[in-house]
Amino acid sequence: AQTVTQSQPEMSVQEAETVTLSCTYDTSESDYYLFWYKQPPSRQMILVIRQEAYKQQNATENRFSVNFQKAAKSFSLKISDSQLGDAAMYFCAYRSANTGTASKLTFGTGTRLQVTL
Amino acid sequence: DTEVTQTPKHLVMGMTNKKSLKCEQHMGHRAMYWYKQKAKKPPELMFVYSYEKLSINESVPSRFSPECPNSSLLNLHLHALQPEDSALYLCASSQDRRGQGKSPLHFGNGTRLTVT
Repeated sequence: AQTVTQSQPEMSVQEAETVTLSCTYDTSESDYYLFWYKQPPSRQMILVIRQEAYKQQNATENRFSVNFQKAAKSFSLKISDSQLGDAAMYFCAYRSANTGTASKLTFGTGTRLQVTL
Repeated sequence: DTEVTQTPKHLVMGMTNKKSLKCEQHMGHRAMYWYKQKAKKPPELMFVYSYEKLSINESVPSRFSPECPNSSLLNLHLHALQPEDSALYLCASSQDRRGQGKSPLHFGNGTRLTVT
């Protein structure tokens, strides 16, 4: 079974600064997808960024980028120019590429990000 | 605005009640999911429907009964729940073409359930 680990329960960043959230995972599969979701107090899980394991290039979405190290099974999220609206719980998640049916999304334990003035 | 709509937003029920949670999406997605999330914990998968058929049941107690009437709707029927079942119940959908894991899950805002 796949496992996802987020070793930082809480992080804090000043507005306009950069912060990196860590994520490691364990799998025996070679093809899979990795995601970062954010969950603000409004409760909705919002997709931040997605990485396909067969792509070496790191994904970027505006101020959000990842550092994907497949051999190390590491998938960190970098948030640049942090904004107050970035404050939320961030979950790293893993999904198999092909299981013959709709596959489950496995979440890490989450990192709560605070953004201060 | 979320594209996955869940009703109700809040629900309080007694242990002898029967209630249902509803989820609706109109994105043409063919996979739908129920997740349970306790406070300060990650979501835990309960059920997955793929093309309106139950494909994954994560050993969920029978007091939770899912139903997928059509490709746009997903229900979760609740009966004889326990106080420890109090949680946020999240519905999600994804486009998935027969086993591809590429499509991200789109989540609703959840139903906050309290069992008294």
